[in-house]
Amino acid sequence: QVQLVQSGAEVKRPGASVKVSCRASGYTLTDYYIQWVRQAPGQGLEWMGWINPNSGETNYAQKFQGRVTMTRDTSISTAYMELRRLRPDDTAVFYCCRGGIATPVYYYYGMDVWGQGTTVTVSS
Amino acid sequence: DIQMTQSPSTLSASVGDRVTITCRASQSFSSWLAWYQQKPGKAPKLLIYKTSSLESGVPSRFSGSGSGTDFTLTISSLQPDDFATYYCQQYYSYPYTFGQGTKLEIK
Repeated sequence: QVQLVQSGAEVKRPGASVKVSCRASGYTLTDYYIQWVRQAPGQGLEWMGWINPNSGETNYAQKFQGRVTMTRDTSISTAYMELRRLRPDDTAVFYCCRGGIATPVYYYYGMDVWGQGTTVTVSS
Repeated sequence: DIQMTQSPSTLSASVGDRVTITCRASQSFSSWLAWYQQKPGKAPKLLIYKTSSLESGVPSRFSGSGSGTDFTLTISSLQPDDFATYYCQQYYSYPYTFGQGTKLEIK
């Protein structure tokens, strides 16, 4: 079945970096955009950006510009999100989501497949 | 950024009730709105996209409507499985933004 499987929970010190992976199965990674969304404990959802796995093009929320990098490795159907210079308020569950058809042009219709989430805890 | 404000923040209702959740945008846009359902400890689930299009597999008791700055999610007859938190999301402009959520509780 169509699914996104994310890497496991991480505990990081302030100032460190984290890289979360998201492996797609049941569909071709390059056919759909991957969106990243985070959710702080007890809080709502926050969109971080997307990557077009077909071209590698990215679009980041201004809030994360300079700290986030989204990449992909199509040979293993995996997308990645790296967040640098972590702060305690980055503690959250990070989700990768399938969101938007990649070809011939970007057509977003919501995030229809979600990974299970990766908990990132930032604490000294 | 477009701010999305949901009301109410919490809603108490009973099985069989008809409920409506509202999402108000800080600026007007057409159609580019989605609704998600999230249960504790789980990833959100897409219910509706483009304001009123029902995602495949979602029960027909869910419906969406609206335009401009005001959008609604309606559940025609609440079922036990519907008690959850609901989020709206605009995708008219970047950054995509979500409402703060509406928690639907059992009365």
